[in-house]
Amino acid sequence: AQTVTQSQPEMSVQEAETVTLSCTYDTSESDYYLFWYKQPPSRQMILVIRQEAYKQQNATENRFSVNFQKAAKSFSLKISDSQLGDAAMYFCAYRSANQGGSEKLVFGKGTKLTVNP
Amino acid sequence: GAVVSQHPSWVICKSGTSVKIECRSLDFQATTMFWYRQFPKQSLMLMATSNEGSKATYEQGVEKDKFLINHASLTLSTLTVTSAHPEDSSFYICSASRQASYEQYFGPGTRLTVT
Repeated sequence: AQTVTQSQPEMSVQEAETVTLSCTYDTSESDYYLFWYKQPPSRQMILVIRQEAYKQQNATENRFSVNFQKAAKSFSLKISDSQLGDAAMYFCAYRSANQGGSEKLVFGKGTKLTVNP
Repeated sequence: GAVVSQHPSWVICKSGTSVKIECRSLDFQATTMFWYRQFPKQSLMLMATSNEGSKATYEQGVEKDKFLINHASLTLSTLTVTSAHPEDSSFYICSASRQASYEQYFGPGTRLTVT
């Protein structure tokens, strides 16, 4: 079974600075998707960024980028120019891409990000 | 596009009663819907996966007779918590995905309090 590990229960960053959230995963599959979700105090899950495992290029969405290291099974999220609105719980998630594979998302335990003004 | 709604957003019920939570995909057909439970300061725990027109697949440890899931149409899934007890109090989140899509779209969640 696949597992996702987020080793940082809490992180803090100064406004306008950069922060990196860590995520590692374990799988025997070769094809899969990885996601970072943000859950603000409203508790609405918001997709921040996604990465297809077959793509070598790291995904980027505005201030958010990932460092995807497939061999190391690592998928970290970098938030640049942090804003107060970035404060939230961040969840890393894995999904199989295999034909007939599970559609389930496997979530890490989350990292609570605080942004200090 | 890809909006998912949940109703109600919060509900309080008495112990022993049943409560139904609806999950709707508003602008797409959801071939698969997922139900999660989230305790305070914890991650999402998948309860079950449902495909339209077929029985839900429950995760290990989830009581299927207690948490009844129905996915009667391509836009609606319901979760009924039967004979609710205070320990069922939690935040319940649904998500939905389109056919041949790997992305899940999440509803805003429902806070259930059982007194």
